[in-house]
Amino acid sequence: KNEVEQSPQNLTAQEGEFITINCSYSVGISALHWLQQHPGGGIVSLFMLSSGKKKHGRLIATINIQEKHSSLHITASHPRDSAVYICAVRLYPGNQFYFGTGTSLTVIP
Amino acid sequence: DTGVSQDPRHKITKRGQNVTFRCDPISEHNRLYWYRQTLGQGPEFLTYFQNEAQLEKSRLLSDRFSAERPKGSFSTLEIQRTEQGDSAMYLCASSILSGGPNEQFFGPGTRLTVL
Repeated sequence: KNEVEQSPQNLTAQEGEFITINCSYSVGISALHWLQQHPGGGIVSLFMLSSGKKKHGRLIATINIQEKHSSLHITASHPRDSAVYICAVRLYPGNQFYFGTGTSLTVIP
Repeated sequence: DTGVSQDPRHKITKRGQNVTFRCDPISEHNRLYWYRQTLGQGPEFLTYFQNEAQLEKSRLLSDRFSAERPKGSFSTLEIQRTEQGDSAMYLCASSILSGGPNEQFFGPGTRLTVL
């Protein structure tokens, strides 16, 4: 049983396409974290959100607390967006984080 | 560079040996987390500190694992009597306790290979 489920597991897109990665969770949370991991292991924080929507450049993250669901959108995708995108939730109460297994994105020129 | 640093970046050891990893968080960050990541999986929570206090530990953290943060700054993670199943990437992250979102910043990880 995995408390955090991501879909799809793998995604291949053509450059310029609009991309959506989904995250569903089954536990009570205080926040949700979207992370990007490049080959070699480095993890970069993209968004931390507890409600609504956040936008940064071509990236948009939304969360629906009632439905226990979040989406990460990438507009005008580019080959440099190729990476693994990981959803993580911070449990409530407490401060433990549960992570999804990630979505591997490949953007083809 | 003011990010999270980890040392060593790679460690190869023989089964049964002890290993110790170090994490230096961002200087003003009072929360520090250790995670383990195996190939194709997301990180798994091991433990976290607020200042020098170890506040939560995962059931994954067997008796062979111990973590310390003696002065509330850097932290060490020790694995005793390593087993081949301990082979993984060990990640450290830090964050600042505030009224905000508690966003985590990750280090580059230590890749452990147990032969």
